[in-house]
Amino acid sequence: EAGVAQSPRYKIIEKRQSVAFWCNPISGHATLYWYQQILGQGPKLLIQFQNNGVVDDSQLPKDRFSAERLKGVDSTLKIQPAKLEDSAVYLCASSLSWGAQTYEQYFGPGTRLTVT
Amino acid sequence: QKEVEQNSGPLSVPEGAIASLNCTYSDRGSQSFFWYRQYSGKSPELIMSIYSNGDKEDGRFTAQLNKASQYVSLLIRDSQPSDSATYLCAVKEYGNKLVFGAGTILRVKS
Repeated sequence: EAGVAQSPRYKIIEKRQSVAFWCNPISGHATLYWYQQILGQGPKLLIQFQNNGVVDDSQLPKDRFSAERLKGVDSTLKIQPAKLEDSAVYLCASSLSWGAQTYEQYFGPGTRLTVT
Repeated sequence: QKEVEQNSGPLSVPEGAIASLNCTYSDRGSQSFFWYRQYSGKSPELIMSIYSNGDKEDGRFTAQLNKASQYVSLLIRDSQPSDSATYLCAVKEYGNKLVFGAGTILRVKS
């Protein structure tokens, strides 16, 4: 079974530029998550989708970050404009579903973003 | 947001020893707990999940949960140099959202 796919793996941009990350979850997984992991910290959830609907985006900086999952499969996370503090690894994860029952989450390889 | 606390380490153990990693959490209502392993420059890899009080064993790994004390631990028996990594403790909130600790760095010396 193929895992979570992400691209690009690395990206270097200047502050105030825009950037987009792509994620393809494990086949059949309805729930998709974007996490931000700053060096030395644990991952922090940015946004969670159930199919193509947003379940939780309470920690997404909506003035500069946006995400979509139009067809309930692939997802794109965008930052515009980027700030120096956005330098981090952006991790995509997926699980079968969500809710009261627990579903294990599996992570993709991540995209390492450096903002200069 | 709920908090998950881990000792950042590094925790150094000799090869063949038992490594003990600890985690405490703030939400008394939490029901599901996970341990992820993260090698340097890689993404987190799920190694254990535990939902009930007591011990859960999987190969060289044992997860221990004490909900009354709000404490989760991971024991690694017969530690190997390949176990050297950062171990992340995660606690599930409503909606399957995970809250992660900052991780404990484990170093196994041969």
